[in-house]
Amino acid sequence: GEDVEQSLFLSVREGDSSVINCTYTDSSSTYLYWYKQEPGAGLQLLTYIFSNMDMKQDQRLTVLLNKKDKHLSLRIADTQTGDSAIYFCAETPSGGSQGNLIFGKGTKLSVKP
Amino acid sequence: DTEVTQTPKHLVMGMTNKKSLKCEQHMGHRAMYWYKQKAKKPPELMFVYSYEKLSINESVPSRFSPECPNSSLLNLHLHALQPEDSALYLCASSQDIPAGGFNEQYFGPGTRLTVT
Repeated sequence: GEDVEQSLFLSVREGDSSVINCTYTDSSSTYLYWYKQEPGAGLQLLTYIFSNMDMKQDQRLTVLLNKKDKHLSLRIADTQTGDSAIYFCAETPSGGSQGNLIFGKGTKLSVKP
Repeated sequence: DTEVTQTPKHLVMGMTNKKSLKCEQHMGHRAMYWYKQKAKKPPELMFVYSYEKLSINESVPSRFSPECPNSSLLNLHLHALQPEDSALYLCASSQDIPAGGFNEQYFGPGTRLTVT
């Protein structure tokens, strides 16, 4: 199947690190993505990782990829209230329709001041 | 300009109405997408246009009819919808459709559709 799994909720205090986890199903996906959706808005690409990488760092964001376990994580350092949103991981499975992004169910991140 | 615009922001329509959703981008992208997002769910792909031709139709009912009049515009014509079609309809665009490569899709803010 093409289910991408994520935990639904995460609550952290401002200034802490947040870690959002994702398990994907297609080991041949070449790129994996993290999108952010703020309330009432569309999705914004935050970061992505190519499948031959284990880690990618982009300012406060760190993406870790474990291909063996098909596990992807997004770490947000020094989480701010403006980071409150729903975070979706996504893959483009090789056997699927070209261009089709398969999204996880989304993790709602709540940041308490 | 990295913006995808969608109109209207909100739409309420009856089951016998005909309406259209509009999407526009001026990034020179040649692939455009319609997604449907139900509350507390991830977006689900409906249609993909590549170079103004319908490339993918993910078994969407015929009461949804897409149209791509030119490379910057994408419409979704709605007719005889059901209450369960109420959702956020998202448009996205990308440079093209890569074969297994990097596919950065830019999303619009969506149209929130309510069918009564």
